[in-house]
Amino acid sequence: NAGVTQTPKFRVLKTGQSMTLLCAQDMNHEYMYWYRQDPGMGLRLIHYSVGEGTTAKGEVPDGYNVSRLKKQNFLLGLESAAPSQTSVYFCASSRGHSMNTEAFFGQGTRLTVV
Amino acid sequence: QQQVKQSPQSLIVQKGGISIINCAYENTAFDYFPWYQQFPGKGPALLIAIRPDVSEKKEGRFTISFNKSAKQFSLHIMDSQPGDSATYFCAASKASGTYKYIFGTGTRLKVLA
Repeated sequence: NAGVTQTPKFRVLKTGQSMTLLCAQDMNHEYMYWYRQDPGMGLRLIHYSVGEGTTAKGEVPDGYNVSRLKKQNFLLGLESAAPSQTSVYFCASSRGHSMNTEAFFGQGTRLTVV
Repeated sequence: QQQVKQSPQSLIVQKGGISIINCAYENTAFDYFPWYQQFPGKGPALLIAIRPDVSEKKEGRFTISFNKSAKQFSLHIMDSQPGDSATYFCAASKASGTYKYIFGTGTRLKVLA
């Protein structure tokens, strides 16, 4: 049981390049989230999904796009990377049930945009 | 908009001491308040959580105190150990509607041996 797996773990991009971060969960969770973590800012929600085929904006969605074509996968795309997107990105998933809303996090992807 | 305010930003405690981290929230619709623990290079992991129908929850050396009227909750780590050195995040979410977690800015705890 792998839980939440993020690919890749590290990446360096040049300004203007594009890339996709992949998140996969094997817990059959309905809800999935993408966060970014910056020093002194905590975890900020970028986008989230409440089920296959659905996506919604979080606190800081600009410059990012997401897709949830399969229940187990949640992709985060950067169309034209900017230095301000240098961050550690975390994917998380949760069952979303009112009695069990624990979020399980992946190990993170450290992205540097130069 | 920061809906969950966390303090202090960093904390140094002697081994065996008590670590206290505080959070305050604004949205009275929040009804689930977890604390997450994050070690360097790892993702956050759930440590302990509380719902507003109780004022305190204890799991081992970790206790959450909850004050609904003041819209505040805190994490107490008793008999702090060097292995507790990590970053701690408080969070809040609503059980109804979408399950969005709003996190605090984090507290970096260092327990001195």
